[in-house]
Order: sequence, then structure tokens, then C-alpha cells
Amino acid sequence: SAVISQKPSRDICQRGTSLTIQCQVDSQVTMMFWYRQQPGQSLTLIATANQGSEATYESGFVIDKFPISRPNLTFSTLTVSNMSPEDSSIYLCSVERKYQETQYFGPGTRLLVL
Amino acid sequence: GQSLEQPSEVTAVEGAIVQINCTYQTSGFYGLSWYQQHDGGAPTFLSYNALDGLEETGRFSSFLSRSDSYGYLLLQELQMKDSASYFCAVRDHTDKLIFGTGTRLQVFP
Repeated sequence: SAVISQKPSRDICQRGTSLTIQCQVDSQVTMMFWYRQQPGQSLTLIATANQGSEATYESGFVIDKFPISRPNLTFSTLTVSNMSPEDSSIYLCSVERKYQETQYFGPGTRLLVL
Repeated sequence: GQSLEQPSEVTAVEGAIVQINCTYQTSGFYGLSWYQQHDGGAPTFLSYNALDGLEETGRFSSFLSRSDSYGYLLLQELQMKDSASYFCAVRDHTDKLIFGTGTRLQVFP
């Protein structure tokens, strides 16, 4: 298993500002991912956070809007830049270990942009 | 495009059996997983099927038919705590998980 913490757990932000979300895992993992989930909706993959190199973004998500860092095998950050009300959502960090099917999720960061 | 379709909502009473279906259309297929998510909580892994057939884990079972691009999650002896959203997910050719539309299960006493 993996124990994942995210900070902050929730925030209310003004449009035009940026917020950095932190994800910490209790042990080394191979893969780390960032998802977005609108209330009552499914999970949409934003990007794969690669250790020591640039993140791999999914269609519709760009580095300028969602810069990601992964300095080591247990930590990653996602920044939501130049926020607008459309960015209001839950942002989830998840991890996988090599050769394991299970993906473990953090508790999420609930973001409201006014 | 890729799609995983689920019923949006299912209701049942305590002690009953409920089946949540998932039909998928993806570029590559390397297994079907199921996740449970309580309101305000994180998704948690329930089961995984790589091959056709039924996998049983306690009160929950999961079925896969690759020829039909179809699977289901079967929940038996329903309890109030089973009220949650359930997501199927397929690992595609890029080795990433693609999540289904989600099914909200409400269990009534």
C-alpha cells in the first residue's frame, strides 16, 4: 500500500492567482499522476509526473497552465496557474508501484476560484 | 476516442444484490479495474480483471468479457456503507488508467 498526503486540503482563491498543491508519499513509488475531478464527475488525468524530467501532459492540458515538479521518488507538486472559476475542482494525486495494478490516491485538494 | 460507459445511478436496499455494468472502447486493453469513492473521499481500489471470468473478493465480485468489451461489478449483501460512487477503469496501450463515467450507488434501509 501507500499513504499519500496532499496539501492544502482545500483553498479558496482569487482569479488570476496561482496555487501550488503538494503530494507526499510515505515510500518510493515508480509513477505519480495528477487528476482533476469535478464534483459528481469522473477522474480526468492531467499529467504523469516524471522524476527528474518534464511531466507528460494529456490532451487539453499544458505545462504553462499546470506546471508540475517531481524532484524525487516520494514528492510532487502541481501548480494551477492564472486561475479562473473554471479551474474550480478537486485535484488528486495518485501513485503506482512497478508491476502492481493498484493505483493509490491522495485525499484530494478542493479548489474554489472566485 | 476512448470511452467507458456506466449507468449514472443505481439504487438498492440493504441485503440486496446489485450489478454495475461497464462497457468500454479503448485503444488497447490491459485489464479492467474497479474503484470505490465515498463522498468527499479518495478513490480506493476494489478489484482487477486481466482475463475473462469472475473474480471474487468477499462480498464483491468482478467479471470481464474481453470479446464483448464488457465487465461488471457485483455487490452482494449490500450494506449502508456501500453507498458510494463506483468507477471502472481500463489500462490502455499507453499503460495509463482511463476511468469510466462512474455510477452512484445509493443503498436504502
